[in-house]
Amino acid sequence: GEDVEQSLFLSVREGDSSVINCTYTDSSSTYLYWYKQEPGAGLQLLTYIFSNMDMKQDQRLTVLLNKKDKHLSLRIADTQTGDSAIYFCADPISGGYNKLIFGAGTRLAVHP
Amino acid sequence: NAGVTQTPKFQVLKTGQSMTLQCAQDMNHEYMSWYRQDPGMGLRLIHYSVGAGITDQGEVPNGYNVSRSTTEDFPLRLLSAAPSQTSVYFCASRPPGGGDGYTFGSGTRLTVV
Repeated sequence: GEDVEQSLFLSVREGDSSVINCTYTDSSSTYLYWYKQEPGAGLQLLTYIFSNMDMKQDQRLTVLLNKKDKHLSLRIADTQTGDSAIYFCADPISGGYNKLIFGAGTRLAVHP
Repeated sequence: NAGVTQTPKFQVLKTGQSMTLQCAQDMNHEYMSWYRQDPGMGLRLIHYSVGAGITDQGEVPNGYNVSRSTTEDFPLRLLSAAPSQTSVYFCASRPPGGGDGYTFGSGTRLTVV
């Protein structure tokens, strides 16, 4: 069945770049999403990428999409302590947007 | 602009009890969903709705009922609570199309003892 996989933990030093990786199985999606969850809060849409794009840049965020390998990555430049959170990759299955399959989430820890 | 409001924030139930988790949105979104979040498993879709009067099952619907009588409200009912339903529950809504993604509520942390 459809699946989204992410590594569970990432630790980086403040000011370095963070790269969070995701692989997915449903290739019919028009969009792929990155959500951020801060402690005790709901998920917040961070960014998304159209499936016909290879890259999208939004300020400190860069999303790379490799459709051949079904691989999605999120790069955060100049990582700050406020970036500490759980990051979820999400893939809408069956070509629609009503059923999002989420990865297990990558917990990003930023240390001085 | 409240967005998606979930109540209660915390709840403890005894096995076999029933309860309703409330969800309301003020953005006039047609599409609403309920997810549960368990450690190490991401979010899993329970039920979703594409408009008033229309609901459908997600990945893990057993033990839960939903209804959508208005655009604003999408309550989730636990029929007979079980310890396996201990989780954090999120309600989410979105406008048509995919570019805006879902807006999530802040969650209800449910413990079944």
